[in-house]
Amino acid sequence: NAGVTQTPKFRVLKTGQSMTLLCAQDMNHEYMYWYRQDPGMGLRLIHYSVGEGTTAKGEVPDGYNVSRLKKQNFLLGLESAAPSQTSVYFCASSYAGAYEQYFGPGTRLTVT
Amino acid sequence: GIQVEQSPPDLILQEGANSTLRCNFSDSVNNLQWFHQNPWGQLINLFYIPSGTKQNGRLSATTVATERYSLLYISSSQTTDSGVYFCAVDPQGGSEKLVFGKGTKLTVNP
Repeated sequence: NAGVTQTPKFRVLKTGQSMTLLCAQDMNHEYMYWYRQDPGMGLRLIHYSVGEGTTAKGEVPDGYNVSRLKKQNFLLGLESAAPSQTSVYFCASSYAGAYEQYFGPGTRLTVT
Repeated sequence: GIQVEQSPPDLILQEGANSTLRCNFSDSVNNLQWFHQNPWGQLINLFYIPSGTKQNGRLSATTVATERYSLLYISSSQTTDSGVYFCAVDPQGGSEKLVFGKGTKLTVNP
């Protein structure tokens, strides 16, 4: 039982490049979330999903897209990376809305 | 939107000391969760506590929803307790999304 996993753990991008972050959970949770964490800002919700095939915007969705084609996976895409997207990205999942959330180990992304 | 304020922002303790971390929120909530982020960045769910008191070993938490605050108690602190403690709330109104405070950074010195 791996819980919530994220790949990759680290990535460096040049401005304008694209990439996809993968989140996987093996707890059969319906809800999945993507957050970003910046110094002094706490965690801010980017996008979330309430079930397979659904996605919704969070607090800071601009510049990101997501997809939830399978219940266990939630993908976060950056189509054209900007330095402002340098951050640590966390994925989380929960059984239902605002139940206990379980977090992945994070992905540290640097955009130069 | 709802405001979540944590205090103090920073706390330095000697090993063995006790501490209390506070989380105030500006509106009614469905539930509240406490998380610990260790120095390596991993976020661990400590408590799911919409009201009342829960205990887990040296840690306990109390939420008084009617007065809009929650407290996290750490007794006999250890160096492994170091890190950042976040509270997060699910505001009433059906958002089903957590709103996080900015955290309390705890340093426990040997």
